[in-house]
Amino acid sequence: DAGVTQSPTHLIKTRGQQVTLRCSPKSGHDTVSWYQQALGQGPQFIFQYYEEEERQRGNFPDRFSGHQFPNYSSELNVNALLLGDSALYLCASSWTGYDSPLHFGNGTRLTVT
Amino acid sequence: RKEVEQDPGPFNVPEGATVAFNCTYSNSASQSFFWYRQDCRKEPKLLMSVYSSGNEDGRFTAQLNRASQYISLLIRDSKLSDSATYLCVVNYPSTSYGKLTFGQGTILTVHP
Repeated sequence: DAGVTQSPTHLIKTRGQQVTLRCSPKSGHDTVSWYQQALGQGPQFIFQYYEEEERQRGNFPDRFSGHQFPNYSSELNVNALLLGDSALYLCASSWTGYDSPLHFGNGTRLTVT
Repeated sequence: RKEVEQDPGPFNVPEGATVAFNCTYSNSASQSFFWYRQDCRKEPKLLMSVYSSGNEDGRFTAQLNRASQYISLLIRDSKLSDSATYLCVVNYPSTSYGKLTFGQGTILTVHP
């Protein structure tokens, strides 16, 4: 049973560039959430996708956008990268509904120079 | 004030010790609570849910005090493998689809 998979594992970009991160949820899960984790901090909620729509959003600017595909996989796009966007980006999948525990992928470590 | 606050530590304890972590949350209407564990440079993993009556899983005991908006995690007989960051996590009712708010984490190091 495949867990949550993310790609790429590591990425280095320069300021102003755009980046796309990818996530495949755990088998049977239909909801994908994205989190940003800066060094020494807990994960911060970016947004959540269900049925190919953004269902909730955290306090992140519009430079952060996403998409969910019919097979439940998801992408996170970040435009006009800033140095402060350097972080570990975590994808988590779950069943829709309350209290469903999150299963996290290994994350993509993004470095912006 | 942060929505979820934890003492970042680090806590350095010998093997066999008992250690307790505390966490406070700001929204009194919060409905569900969890502890996640995160190893260095790895993803967070669910350690245990926290129920109002308190719950235990082997060496781990979680407690919830709604009146004080306080959650705790107790680890007995610490093992070297318990070394990790422990994240306190809260789910708010206004976000009924499983948006979780994480604390910054408490670092635990268990030494021989």
